[in-house]
Amino acid sequence: DIVMTQSPLSLPVTPGEPASISCRSSQSLLYSNGYNYLDWYLQKPGQSPQVLIYLGSNRASGVPDRFSGSGSGTDFTLKISRVEAEDVGIYYCLQVLQTPFTFGQGTRLEIK
Amino acid sequence: EVQLVESGGGLVQPGGSLRLSCAFSGFTLSAHDMDWVRRAPGKGLEWIGRARNKADNYSKVYAASVKGRFTISRDESENSLYLQMSSLKTEDTAIYYCARVNMNYGGLDSWGQGTLVTVSS
Repeated sequence: DIVMTQSPLSLPVTPGEPASISCRSSQSLLYSNGYNYLDWYLQKPGQSPQVLIYLGSNRASGVPDRFSGSGSGTDFTLKISRVEAEDVGIYYCLQVLQTPFTFGQGTRLEIK
Repeated sequence: EVQLVESGGGLVQPGGSLRLSCAFSGFTLSAHDMDWVRRAPGKGLEWIGRARNKADNYSKVYAASVKGRFTISRDESENSLYLQMSSLKTEDTAIYYCARVNMNYGGLDSWGQGTLVTVSS
């Protein structure tokens, strides 16, 4: 199985400041078609998860442009350019290259 | 508008069975893969299985932790997806979500609100 490792696991951020979350996979998520099969999700308190980024770097519909995804192969990053209060929750990366699909442990973002 | 609504959760004893339902609207089930994902108390998200679409012959794949105990099925006439759970263990206690797979990019683009399953004696 592909193991997904996120860091940090806890991320206190001051509103207006940037934030960055790392996700590493135990094997490359880059497929022969040139796409990285890595998504990012956010689960806000009391809500279901929602997709933020798909195929490594594409923002899902309705996601603010302060969110961006980058990386390739085994190293990926989710960046928030300016954190807002509504961004609190747990962020997960998910590899969808091969079954069983696997999530990272989650990164809890909190507001300082 | 795409909507997914899970039901069927509750308290069950270890070794028991339970069937979860995911009623959906706003899309055609046969065109989409559908996943079940769970989150145990104090833990992160865990992918547990996928029911593939008609083009993939409705095949299913499961995580090792549930394989042989859980079965995903679908009923297009009822606009529903199901998760039949048997031989339940205390570690199966979790909120269970159904999610639709976006067939353009593979991400889980719509989720239900979740249903809580508690396995305890």
